[in-house]
Amino acid sequence: RKEVEQDPGPFNVPEGATVAFNCTYSNSASQSFFWYRQDCRKEPKLLMSVYSSGNEDGRFTAQLNRASQYISLLIRDSKLSDSATYLCVVYNQGGKLIFGQGTELSVKP
Amino acid sequence: DGGITQSPKYLFRKEGQNVTLSCEQNLNHDAMYWYRQDPGQGLRLIYYSQIVNDFQKGDIAEGYSVSREKKESFPLTVTSAQKNPTAFYLCASSPPQINQPQHFGDGTRLSIL
Repeated sequence: RKEVEQDPGPFNVPEGATVAFNCTYSNSASQSFFWYRQDCRKEPKLLMSVYSSGNEDGRFTAQLNRASQYISLLIRDSKLSDSATYLCVVYNQGGKLIFGQGTELSVKP
Repeated sequence: DGGITQSPKYLFRKEGQNVTLSCEQNLNHDAMYWYRQDPGQGLRLIYYSQIVNDFQKGDIAEGYSVSREKKESFPLTVTSAQKNPTAFYLCASSPPQINQPQHFGDGTRLSIL
């Protein structure tokens, strides 16, 4: 089983839709969780850190479920500019970041 | 303006040649990392360094070498022993506090001639 697994995608949604991505992690001792956004042929950029209480930044909401070992990212009112690959990232016990393979989102007019 | 600078943006390697990718940061971060990304794949860790003059192998270190003589700089050499070097190479850094997110340079795209 991979340490971090994401919804395989791609997700194709119309503008204005709400879309949710899920990510599961295998190491119950993992402490920190992040969502990164990566545009085609560009570097990953930090979108949100994921806190145990859940956190919201505008149209984006991240949630953490430690008991079930999954992290989610919800995007409301999707924009064309949200089209990208979303990476779920987890710190493992050894202090290394483990990246999921990414979920591709395509928002259509 | 603080950040991570990678150069060159594009690099071509001939068979049997070593090439060096540059990574410089002015964020005063202690930790620096090199990743490789292949099309449609996640990032894989090549080498990382938590402090000057010290570095550790990541998951796919074979065929690569690094040095960390200065805090600001963490160059990666792709040696001729790396038989499949074509990929997107990303350098990242993070502050010393544990579990902090990493910040990335804009990458170097390496291809075989």
